Amino acid sequence: KAGVTQTPRYLIKTRGQQVTLSCSPISGHRSVSWYQQTPGQGLQFLFEYFSETQRNKGNFPGRFSGRQFSNSRSEMNVSTLELGDSALYLCASSFQGGEKLFFGSGTQLSVL
Amino acid sequence: KNEVEQSPQNLTAQEGEFITINCSYSVGISALHWLQQHPGGGIVSLFMLSSGKKKHGRLIATINIQEKHSSLHITASHPRDSAVYICAARMDSNYQLIWGAGTKLIIKP
Repeated sequence: KAGVTQTPRYLIKTRGQQVTLSCSPISGHRSVSWYQQTPGQGLQFLFEYFSETQRNKGNFPGRFSGRQFSNSRSEMNVSTLELGDSALYLCASSFQGGEKLFFGSGTQLSVL
Repeated sequence: KNEVEQSPQNLTAQEGEFITINCSYSVGISALHWLQQHPGGGIVSLFMLSSGKKKHGRLIATINIQEKHSSLHITASHPRDSAVYICAARMDSNYQLIWGAGTKLIIKP
């Protein structure tokens, strides 16, 4: 059974650009959640999707958005990138959201 | 005050020692997760608890719902246990996961 796949693995962007990150959950999992991890802030919850609906949202500005498709794959978009958006972005999937989480390897985003 | 607090923040021990990492939370929860993150980023889920105690190999996780406290224990610690251990509480009000800041564990041979 394939694990959670995140693409791309690394990304370099400049300020003001936008970026889209992708997460393919484990087959059969319907919940996908996204997290930002920085050395100073630890893991911060961005949002969670379940069956194409955003079920929860963390305290991030509106520049951070996401969506989930009918096959449960999810994308996260960050518009008007700022230097402070440089971080490791992780997604996790689970069957319905309350069970054991399975994490992808993350996308390391650098904003120059 | 953070809703989920871990202690200690950093822990260095000798191989073979018994390790305890603590997690306290202030909100009503439906479950508590313990996860392990090795250098390089990969996060692995270790336990999900809603009551009592769970054991997997040398790892033991306990939770006391009344005291709003959970512990992760490692018996006969080994250098390969060196990692960041993170607890996360699933709030029963909105199902959101609240993350602890993590405990960086180093086991010296």
